[in-house]
Amino acid sequence: EDQVTQSPEALRLQEGESSSLNCSYTVSGLRGLFWYRQDPGKGPEFLFTLYSAGEEKEKERLKATLTKKESFLHITAPKPEDSATYLCAVQGAGGTSYGKLTFGQGTILTVHP
Amino acid sequence: DGGITQSPKYLFRKEGQNVTLSCEQNLNHDAMYWYRQDPGQGLRLIYYSQIVNDFQKGDIAEGYSVSREKKESFPLTVTSAQKNPTAFYLCASSPLAGYSNQPQHFGDGTRLSIL
Repeated sequence: EDQVTQSPEALRLQEGESSSLNCSYTVSGLRGLFWYRQDPGKGPEFLFTLYSAGEEKEKERLKATLTKKESFLHITAPKPEDSATYLCAVQGAGGTSYGKLTFGQGTILTVHP
Repeated sequence: DGGITQSPKYLFRKEGQNVTLSCEQNLNHDAMYWYRQDPGQGLRLIYYSQIVNDFQKGDIAEGYSVSREKKESFPLTVTSAQKNPTAFYLCASSPLAGYSNQPQHFGDGTRLSIL
């Protein structure tokens, strides 16, 4: 069974204070690891897909990296508008043939001005 | 603009009542999904559909039903058999299920509460 664990559960940063969010996973044949951002009362917004260990993707102040066991979402010089819940999900190749995603519980990021 | 529209945004259910949540997409995606989100938990898959007139149970299908009569529509019915329906319900779609690893895109959810 695929599993995803995100840490920390909550992270409070000052504006400009860089940090990282962790996503540890176990999956039978990784087909993709996905990062989403979710604002309160809204649906998740897609950020990145990573497919293989060593891959990196960047978007503005966010950079996602992937190893065989975990992914990191690095936030450089965050701003208050980066405050949100960040979700990690994996899609495995084992078992079923549909695009099932297994989600972590999320990290709630708060950036103070 | 292409996207996924969920309605209503808020819904209240009385004891013994069935309620239906609407999900419409204009992205021309083949696959559609329903998830349930509870505080402090990851999203859990209720039902999914890869093609019109076909759908499969996810991890927590008991007390729910769906239909897929049109490519763009995937309504979810929360039946009276679902004893703990209070949650945030999210609909998603992706270009092709199965062996495609395209990201799923989400609507803005429906929050269901018990009266």
